[in-house]
Amino acid sequence: AQSVTQLGSHVSVSEGALVLLRCNYSSSVPPYLFWYVQYPNQGLQLLLKYTSAATLVKGINDFEAEFKKSETSFHLTKPSAHMSDAAEYFCAVSEGSSASKIIFGSGTRLSIRP
Amino acid sequence: ETGVTQTPRHLVMGMTNKKSLKCEQHLGHNAMYWYKQSAKKPLELMFVYNFKEQTENNSVPSRFSPECPNSSHLFLHLHTLQPEDSALYLCASSQSGGRSSYEQYFGPGTRLTVT
Repeated sequence: AQSVTQLGSHVSVSEGALVLLRCNYSSSVPPYLFWYVQYPNQGLQLLLKYTSAATLVKGINDFEAEFKKSETSFHLTKPSAHMSDAAEYFCAVSEGSSASKIIFGSGTRLSIRP
Repeated sequence: ETGVTQTPRHLVMGMTNKKSLKCEQHLGHNAMYWYKQSAKKPLELMFVYNFKEQTENNSVPSRFSPECPNSSHLFLHLHTLQPEDSALYLCASSQSGGRSSYEQYFGPGTRLTVT
C-alpha cells in the first residue's frame, strides 16, 4: 500500500530565504512521485514529477525535488522564496499500476514574510 | 480552450435544488476524476472514470451522481445536498493503460455553497 506524509501543515519563510517542504512516502514498488501547487481558489497545478529517470528533478518556478530512496523522501526546495510562492503544496505518490491510484498528502501551506 | 475546464466556477444552491457541475478536458486523456476539497481536510477522491466506465466510487452518498458521456466530458449531478457538502469540487484527467506515472491535470474547481 502507498502513503505519503507531509511534515508540517504550515511553513513560513522570509522572502529570499530557502524554501524546504518535506515529504516522505511509502510504496511497495518503485514509486512515481509528484509535487503539486494550489493557489487560492484554483485547482492543483503540477510542479514536477519523479519517474526514475533522475533523482534530482527540476520543475517550474525554480522548484526542485530530490528522490532519496534510502530515506523514502522527496523534499521540495527552492533557493530563494518569492511572495508569489505563497500557496498550498501537495506531495503525491503513485505506483503506476492504475490511473486512479495517486495518493495525495494532506498539504503544506507556505507563507512568505516580506 | 486548453487543459481542463470546469463550469460553473461558483455555485450557491439550496438543499432542495438540483444542479450539475461540468468538466471538460482537452488533453486527449482517457481517465477523469472528481475530488472534493473541504477546508482543513485532505483531498477526497470521489469518482473515477476510465474510458467512460466508472471504476471507483469511494462511498459517495447517492445525492452525488456522476455521468461520463465520453472521455472528454464529466458531469456531477447534485440533488438534495446538505450544508456539509459545501466545498471546492475539483475535476482532473490523466492518461491510462499500462504502467505509467498517470499524473493528473486539474481544473480550476467549482466552489459550491449549500444554504
